[in-house]
Amino acid sequence: AQSVAQPEDQVNVAEGNPLTVKCTYSVSGNPYLFWYVQYPNRGLQFLLKYITGDNLVKGSYGFEAEFNKSQTSFHLKKPSALVSDSALYFCAVRDPGTYKYIFGTGTRLKVLA
Amino acid sequence: AAGVIQSPRHLIKEKRETATLKCYPIPRHDTVYWYQQGPGQDPQFLISFYEKMQSDKGSIPDRFSAQQFSDYHSELNMSSLELGDSALYFCASSLPGSGSYGYTFGSGTRLTVV
Repeated sequence: AQSVAQPEDQVNVAEGNPLTVKCTYSVSGNPYLFWYVQYPNRGLQFLLKYITGDNLVKGSYGFEAEFNKSQTSFHLKKPSALVSDSALYFCAVRDPGTYKYIFGTGTRLKVLA
Repeated sequence: AAGVIQSPRHLIKEKRETATLKCYPIPRHDTVYWYQQGPGQDPQFLISFYEKMQSDKGSIPDRFSAQQFSDYHSELNMSSLELGDSALYFCASSLPGSGSYGYTFGSGTRLTVV
């Protein structure tokens, strides 16, 4: 069965500092991995995805993620955090057969001014 | 660009009442997914449709039903509402066979059962 884990409920980082939001996955076959961001009372917004190719994936709003097959990880990163990045971040894997997403439990990112 | 439209944005119902949530996918998207996100929870898959046929079913209660219509919009019908049904309900749409693409979510319908 496909699954993702986000080990941190919350991540605090100072504005201007680099941020990392962790995600590990368990899939059979090649993983389709995604990051979504959710602002309060809003829908899920697509940030980036890994399907194949370069392990470093660049996405929206200056975010990037590194796919690491040996560590089965897909951590979300940003070199310099902004207060406006404060939100809930979900890692997801897409089931290759049914295309439905399986989401992680989410990590709340708080960027402090 | 057109997005996934969900209506209503907010809905308040009493216990044991019925609610209908609507989802209008992006034009030419014929696959629709429904998710439920409880307070402080991750989104949970409910049900999906492809070409007006149910394609997959998740943790959807028997009190809920859904369908996709000829214009590809979808409706989620919820009966005998319970307090625990209070949640944010998301719809998403995608093109068929687009396993390599992220699908697009609507802004959600917030259902509050009182």
